[in-house]
Amino acid sequence: DQQVKQNSPSLSVQEGRISILNCDYTNSMFDYFLWYKKYPAEGPTFLISISSIKDKNEDGRFTVFLNKSAKHLSLHIVPSQPGDSAVYFCAASVSGANNLFFGTGTRLTVIP
Amino acid sequence: DAGITQSPRHKVTETGTPVTLRCHQTENHRYMYWYRQDPGHGLRLIHYSYGVKDTDKGEVSDGYSVSRSKTEDFLLTLESATSSQTSVYFCAISGSGRGETQYFGPGTRLLVL
Repeated sequence: DQQVKQNSPSLSVQEGRISILNCDYTNSMFDYFLWYKKYPAEGPTFLISISSIKDKNEDGRFTVFLNKSAKHLSLHIVPSQPGDSAVYFCAASVSGANNLFFGTGTRLTVIP
Repeated sequence: DAGITQSPRHKVTETGTPVTLRCHQTENHRYMYWYRQDPGHGLRLIHYSYGVKDTDKGEVSDGYSVSRSKTEDFLLTLESATSSQTSVYFCAISGSGRGETQYFGPGTRLLVL
């Protein structure tokens, strides 16, 4: 069973607009969440994370929002740039455990 | 970028043959991980190591073994490759485990015919 779900396989956005990528999880024990970005033929690159004690974390153009009651997190990219075109993976973990659980990814295309 | 290399980067092999993939790190991180990435599944943990000679199973460990004789090297072995093990394999490292951010290598694309 997929404990972390990304229900949108793909998303297209115009350059300069906001990109919103969504992620849902089922395990209420998850308390640390991450977003990774992946270009073709490369490994995933860490983008931003959030602990369950927060509901928002911001790093430049990237903001992650966490809604624990809905078991939902989202990544906002503002403004979107063509270089942001990649596959984005959401991941979650439980403190003290060694496994990251990944979603299936969302392919973002930013149109110039 | 974290200093992680994987070798080989690409491999084609036949069913039933043994295959060993290597992950090498220069960060002196304690934790190392092997994941596989498949369409519709994201990345799934195969095995991980929390120190030299200390390893444990992940979510999809059947058909795989690992070894870690040095801090910097983590080997993944397919004793007898099957077509279901055709995948992209990623190594990752982290300093302290416990859900800490993991940093990934470039991946190995394996095709089992």
